[in-house]
Amino acid sequence: RKEVEQDPGPFNVPEGATVAFNCTYSNSASQSFFWYRQDCRKEPKLLMSVYSSGNEDGRFTAQLNRASQYISLLIRDSKLSDSATYLCVVNPNGGSQGNLIFGKGTKLSVKP
Amino acid sequence: DAGVIQSPRHEVTEMGQEVTLRCKPISGHDYLFWYRQTMMRGLELLIYFNNNVPIDDSGMPEDRFSAKMPNASFSTLKIQPSEPRDSAVYFCASSPSTGGVYNEQFFGPGTRLTVL
Repeated sequence: RKEVEQDPGPFNVPEGATVAFNCTYSNSASQSFFWYRQDCRKEPKLLMSVYSSGNEDGRFTAQLNRASQYISLLIRDSKLSDSATYLCVVNPNGGSQGNLIFGKGTKLSVKP
Repeated sequence: DAGVIQSPRHEVTEMGQEVTLRCKPISGHDYLFWYRQTMMRGLELLIYFNNNVPIDDSGMPEDRFSAKMPNASFSTLKIQPSEPRDSAVYFCASSPSTGGVYNEQFFGPGTRLTVL
């Protein structure tokens, strides 16, 4: 089983749609979780951290299910500018920084 | 702050040549990371430093790759000799130590390396 697995997509959705991405991770001791966004031919940038209680930032909602080792990202009212690749990221190192494990990403394309 | 700076942005070289990639992290950040991204393998951590000291180089593919961080504001990743399979985008990232396991990593724009 790969350390972090994501559906590569692409997800092609119309503007205004709600879209959800899922991610699973293999290391049950993983301590922290993130979603990064990467635009075409650009560097990854942090979209949001994922906390145990779930968290929301505007149109974006992240959820964590430790029992199932599963992370999700929900985008509501999608915009053209949301088109990007979304990387699920896991820190497997309990209590310390360092080695982040990146999924290969899920590509989203929002169409007018 | 200018963000993480990488140079060159693009590099085209021939097999067997030495390649040196450079990175200037964000001032005040204690951690520096080198990643490689390809379509097949995604984003992979090669090596990371804490306070200029290499902590984990288990991702460095082989002895042809080496990385140094002589001071807090500069790091290099060297490939000698380069091979076509080294073609990829190489990212440098830095982060502070203040956020614990939720520290954000800030990526540079990357160096797109093509080895012919």
